Amino acid sequence: GAGVSQSPRYKVAKRGQDVALRCDPISGHVSLFWYQQALGQGPEFLTYFQNEAQLDKSGLPSDRFFAERPEGSVSTLKIQRTQQEDSAVYLCASSSPGQGVTEAFFGQGTRLTVV
Amino acid sequence: QKEVEQDPGPLSVPEGAIVSLNCTYSNSAFQYFMWYRQYSRKGPELLMYTYSSGNKEDGRFTAQVDKSSKYISLFIRDSQPSDSATYLCVPYNFNKFYFGSGTKLNVKP
Repeated sequence: GAGVSQSPRYKVAKRGQDVALRCDPISGHVSLFWYQQALGQGPEFLTYFQNEAQLDKSGLPSDRFFAERPEGSVSTLKIQRTQQEDSAVYLCASSSPGQGVTEAFFGQGTRLTVV
Repeated sequence: QKEVEQDPGPLSVPEGAIVSLNCTYSNSAFQYFMWYRQYSRKGPELLMYTYSSGNKEDGRFTAQVDKSSKYISLFIRDSQPSDSATYLCVPYNFNKFYFGSGTKLNVKP
């Protein structure tokens, strides 16, 4: 596809349920990022992959959050035992390597509501 | 203290007005400074970026960085209703984008 694709667009989970959010990056993009955006706030960094290697997971808020990118393309963000404070939009972005800074292309996000 | 502070607005202006959006940051190591625009229920999209201090112009948009005061600005000339969105200032360092909370702009026709 032409852009970053995320699925599902919307997810309602009961408290305690496990969820899996999928990200299809732009083909050929080496770098992949996950961000969490609470209502009315800017996105907050969760984790970063370069190909299949998770180089930075310093933003994951707890050990209930887990991300993987096993073949260096599609990535999944998994949240175990969801809590109400996990309700947010989860954004995925991808970029290709370059000199200095490169543009990160964002998907439309998955809006997670924990009830 | 957050890495990036940005006035959340909302900012409401008439069509054709000059808009000034600002933010401050705390980490003097930041070298790249981006502005992302986010429409409602969409992902952020890159508007423009600058490297280190200075100005950069792109059509109706001008980005300005003053590293000595850690101050970032975005100016929009001849604002249009289609500019209505949330504007996020985003310093970048070592594969991490540091988003401000965003300023919501509404341009009234």
